[in-house]
Amino acid sequence: ELKVEQNPLFLSMQEGKNYTIYCNYSTTSDRLYWYRQDPGKSLESLFVLLSNGAVKQEGRLMASLDTKARLSTLHITAAVHDLSATYFCAVDGGGGADGLTFGKGTHLIIQP
Amino acid sequence: EAGVAQSPRYKIIEKRQSVAFWCNPISGHATLYWYQQILGQGPKLLIQFQNNGVVDDSQLPKDRFSAERLKGVDSTLKIQPAKLEDSAVYLCASSHGLNEQFFGPGTRLTVL
Repeated sequence: ELKVEQNPLFLSMQEGKNYTIYCNYSTTSDRLYWYRQDPGKSLESLFVLLSNGAVKQEGRLMASLDTKARLSTLHITAAVHDLSATYFCAVDGGGGADGLTFGKGTHLIIQP
Repeated sequence: EAGVAQSPRYKIIEKRQSVAFWCNPISGHATLYWYQQILGQGPKLLIQFQNNGVVDDSQLPKDRFSAERLKGVDSTLKIQPAKLEDSAVYLCASSHGLNEQFFGPGTRLTVL
């Protein structure tokens, strides 16, 4: 059974600080996804990481993937209040059945 | 490009009643997914369709849940009879091949 673990599950930080969210998964997969969810809203796709060593950046967010370690990170640089949300990583099952298995999410609060 | 459409957005029913949700994927997306998101958790895949065929329904509680995608476009998810633990947001997503999944706004179901 594919398992996806995120940590931390809750994070409160101040504006201007840097921090990293970690995502570990239990089986081999070359595709990892990061989503953002605001309260009461649906999921917004942030990054799709398709290969070992992939790194993608958008604004203050940067995601990377190490398939050998089965680890992805989402790094936040100089956090701003607008980044407050819940962040999910997800991995697909592969082999054509690519429904996603999600982590429990990281609830991020950025305080002024 | 229009996004994934879902209806209704909210539904309140009593336990043992029946309910149905509708999803219209992004035009041209052959793959459609239904996920269940319980409050405070990550989404859980219920069923994946490729055109009008089922690819994965291993986590669908088949004694009470059913889903169909008869013409390979729209899909309906039904619960009959509903239980209290079915209270959740039901998310529909679609993708073009083995690519990024786009999520709809979800249907929030409350079972009393």
